[in-house]
Amino acid sequence: DQQVKQNSPSLSVQEGRISILNCDYTNSMFDYFLWYKKYPAEGPTFLISISSIKDKNEDGRFTVFLNKSAKHLSLHIVPSQPGDSAVYFCAASGNTPLVFGKGTRLSVIA
Amino acid sequence: EAGVVQSPRYKIIEKKQPVAFWCNPISGHNTLYWYLQNLGQGPELLIRYENEEAVDDSQLPKDRFSAERLKGVDSTLKIQPAELGDSAVYLCASSWGSGNTIYFGEGSWLTVV
Repeated sequence: DQQVKQNSPSLSVQEGRISILNCDYTNSMFDYFLWYKKYPAEGPTFLISISSIKDKNEDGRFTVFLNKSAKHLSLHIVPSQPGDSAVYFCAASGNTPLVFGKGTRLSVIA
Repeated sequence: EAGVVQSPRYKIIEKKQPVAFWCNPISGHNTLYWYLQNLGQGPELLIRYENEEAVDDSQLPKDRFSAERLKGVDSTLKIQPAELGDSAVYLCASSWGSGNTIYFGEGSWLTVV
């Protein structure tokens, strides 16, 4: 039973365009959501988070949107850069350790 | 500030041999995690420590895996004996308290042949 789902294994975007990565969750007790970025041969790196009391959090080129009624969150990267090419993991917690999705591989094409 | 440090980065062993991974968390972080990441999957929790106490080890295969966190700082994860299916990345992470942002080390990549 996967509580955090990233249904798109991969995504290709042209440099300068918007990248939108999606994540769905099933556990209504989750109240804290995070995105991690992972380059090959490295550990996941924290990117941005959002609490369930908010519906949007912005940090530079990265914005996370949370739709609690739909149990859906998304990560927007604008503008996308080649250095953003990596695997992005969505994670969620609710007084429990983080539960991760399987990741989406983003390729930004120059 | 130093991040989470893990060693060794890479390890190749024959099946049935033992292996151990070491982790030093971020200074001041009282919560330490060991995650397992298989190819094409997200990290999955093996064990979580609050200081010296293992508070969640329900996903740790206790017949062959063991972990300890002496003095509430460094931690060691051991596999004995290793099986072919244990080939994966073992990630250590730490945080200040549970439910907060966790920070990962670079991982220990295990290949069992």
